[in-house]
Amino acid sequence: DAGITQSPRHKVTETGTPVTLRCHQTENHRYMYWYRQDPGHGLRLIHYSYGVKDTDKGEVSDGYSVSRSKTEDFLLTLESATSSQTSVYFCAIKEGYGSPLHFGNGTRLTVT
Amino acid sequence: GIQVEQSPPDLILQEGANSTLRCNFSDSVNNLQWFHQNPWGQLINLFYIPSGTKQNGRLSATTVATERYSLLYISSSQTTDSGVYFCAPETSGSRLTFGEGTQLTVNP
Repeated sequence: DAGITQSPRHKVTETGTPVTLRCHQTENHRYMYWYRQDPGHGLRLIHYSYGVKDTDKGEVSDGYSVSRSKTEDFLLTLESATSSQTSVYFCAIKEGYGSPLHFGNGTRLTVT
Repeated sequence: GIQVEQSPPDLILQEGANSTLRCNFSDSVNNLQWFHQNPWGQLINLFYIPSGTKQNGRLSATTVATERYSLLYISSSQTTDSGVYFCAPETSGSRLTFGEGTQLTVNP
C-alpha cells in the first residue's frame, strides 16, 4: 500500500467553524491532490500540488484553501465550513508525470 | 474542461460472467487510469494505460486515445469484483478528471 495517511478519519463540525484536514505521505512523491466524493458526482478535484509551495485550483476550489510547506504534508482548510461541504475527502499522490495515482483512505466530514 | 462519460452506470452480473465497461472522453489526453472503489470505500489503482492494452489477471484494459475511449474488461467475475469502477483521463498539468463511475454488483 502507498504510504498515505489522512487525518482525521471522521469529523463532525458546526457551520461557520474552520476545519483543517491533513494528508501525510511517506513516498516522497511530487504530486498531491485533494478530491471530494459526493453521490452522483464521482470524484471532483479541489486543489492539487506539484511541489513544495506550488499549488493550483481544481474544479471545485471555492471555499477551500491548501498549503504544502513540506513534501510529505498537504493540508486542506475550510475557512468557514458550510453544510454543502459535507462530503468524503480523499487525498491522492503521484510520483511524477506519467505515473499512477494512489489514494488515501478518506476523511468523512459532516458539517451540521 | 474535459468531459468524461462512463457506461453503463449500473451493471448486475452473476458470478462467472464477463463484462465490458466503457469510458469516453472529450479531449486529447496524456494518459488514462482505471480505479476500483470497494464496498468499504477504498480506491485502488487498477491500470495506468495511455494507449494500447494491458492485462492483470482477469482484468484487462484498452485505450484508443485517437478515438477518445477506453474499455475495461472483467472476465469470470467474482463477488469480490463488486464496487464502483472509475476511469480518469489525465490532461496537461497532471490533472486527472474522474467519470461518475460504473456500479458493478456480482451476485453469487
